Amino acid sequence: KQEVTQIPAALSVPEGENLVLNCSFTDSAIYNLQWFRQDPGKGLTSLLLIQSSQREQTSGRLNASLDKSSGRSTLYIAASQPGDSATYLCAVSETSYDKVIFGPGTSLSVIP
Amino acid sequence: KAGVTQTPRYLIKTRGQQVTLSCSPISGHRSVSWYQQTPGQGLQFLFEYFSETQRNKGNFPGRFSGRQFSNSRSEMNVSTLELGDSALYLCASSLTGDPTGELFFGEGSRLTVL
Repeated sequence: KQEVTQIPAALSVPEGENLVLNCSFTDSAIYNLQWFRQDPGKGLTSLLLIQSSQREQTSGRLNASLDKSSGRSTLYIAASQPGDSATYLCAVSETSYDKVIFGPGTSLSVIP
Repeated sequence: KAGVTQTPRYLIKTRGQQVTLSCSPISGHRSVSWYQQTPGQGLQFLFEYFSETQRNKGNFPGRFSGRQFSNSRSEMNVSTLELGDSALYLCASSLTGDPTGELFFGEGSRLTVL
């Protein structure tokens, strides 16, 4: 049974710092991995999607990497800003047409 | 381009009642999936529809059901509400029809059961 974990559960950093969020999954046979952002009481916003054949994806200040063999993904945020404060979730799909399994999320607070 | 629209945004029900939530996907998206989010269990998959057919279902009791219409709009229904059904219900749509394609989420429907 696929399980997704994220560490740390919460993170507080001063503005301008670079930071890394971690995601681990137990079964390496994934189809893709997605990183989402969720603001309090809101829906999820897709940040990056990495197909199983890819190693990383970049969008602006965000970079996500994927290491299937070790069951890990990292989300790197450069030059953090207060507007980055949110909960970040990673999610994996094991096969095409399969359900998406979410991690518990990392709550990020960027202090001005 | 309009995003995923969920209605109602907030609702309060009492135990034993039933509720219907609606989701309109992004135009052109044919796959719609539903998720329940609670502080204790996090985000859990409910079910996914494509071309009016349920392709996947999560581990929820039969009180939770859904359907999809020919215009790809979807509804989910929860009957005989329990206190534990209080949650944020999120709908997501996908362009390719493949639920593991990029997901676009709505703002959710927050259900409170008293």
